[in-house]
Amino acid sequence: DTEVTQTPKHLVMGMTNKKSLKCEQHMGHRAMYWYKQKAKKPPELMFVYSYEKLSINESVPSRFSPECPNSSLLNLHLHALQPEDSALYLCASSLTSNYEQYFGPGTRLTVT
Amino acid sequence: DQQVKQNSPSLSVQEGRISILNCDYTNSMFDYFLWYKKYPAEGPTFLISISSIKDKNEDGRFTVFLNKSAKHLSLHIVPSQPGDSAVYFCAARGGGPGGGADGLTFGKGTHLIIQP
Repeated sequence: DTEVTQTPKHLVMGMTNKKSLKCEQHMGHRAMYWYKQKAKKPPELMFVYSYEKLSINESVPSRFSPECPNSSLLNLHLHALQPEDSALYLCASSLTSNYEQYFGPGTRLTVT
Repeated sequence: DQQVKQNSPSLSVQEGRISILNCDYTNSMFDYFLWYKKYPAEGPTFLISISSIKDKNEDGRFTVFLNKSAKHLSLHIVPSQPGDSAVYFCAARGGGPGGGADGLTFGKGTHLIIQP
């Protein structure tokens, strides 16, 4: 099983809403990542979790709040987002941070 | 400051021929390089990788070459097939203070079109 799943596939939210994106993998991977991808741009790293601990936060605004409740799950909590935060949010995992990353299909987020 | 560069936004190749996708990087701290393939509305799919201590890695129709002195890598696909039409991203790891715990830095991608 080399699958990373993400829910929901699509999300539309207002600027005052609170929502969460979910990511799950059952490959025994101990590193998990959030990336943001805008149209016609490459994915950009947001957060890295290694052994359930946040190891990298790439200067992401506090309206994005990651959470890693266990080694299989990664959440991204969203609050008071701006329209420019609309993007494809990709989750990835790797065995450890030294191995290739496997990506989920992404959540297409639209902020109105 | 773009640390990973793919200078060809698109590439058109005839079916059966060789596709060569190029990637340049500027950060000499990168220690691991990867190629991903991406279809619209899907996440990137891992294709092949190479460690900085090697100069070639081969997997079926895909071969990645690394020239460290030139800070250049390339992905060769031979023979090219219609299903290879997609956006290909070059990615690199290890360029920051976190060492191996870094995420990936991606190039902007090259759209490969395989023509019948």
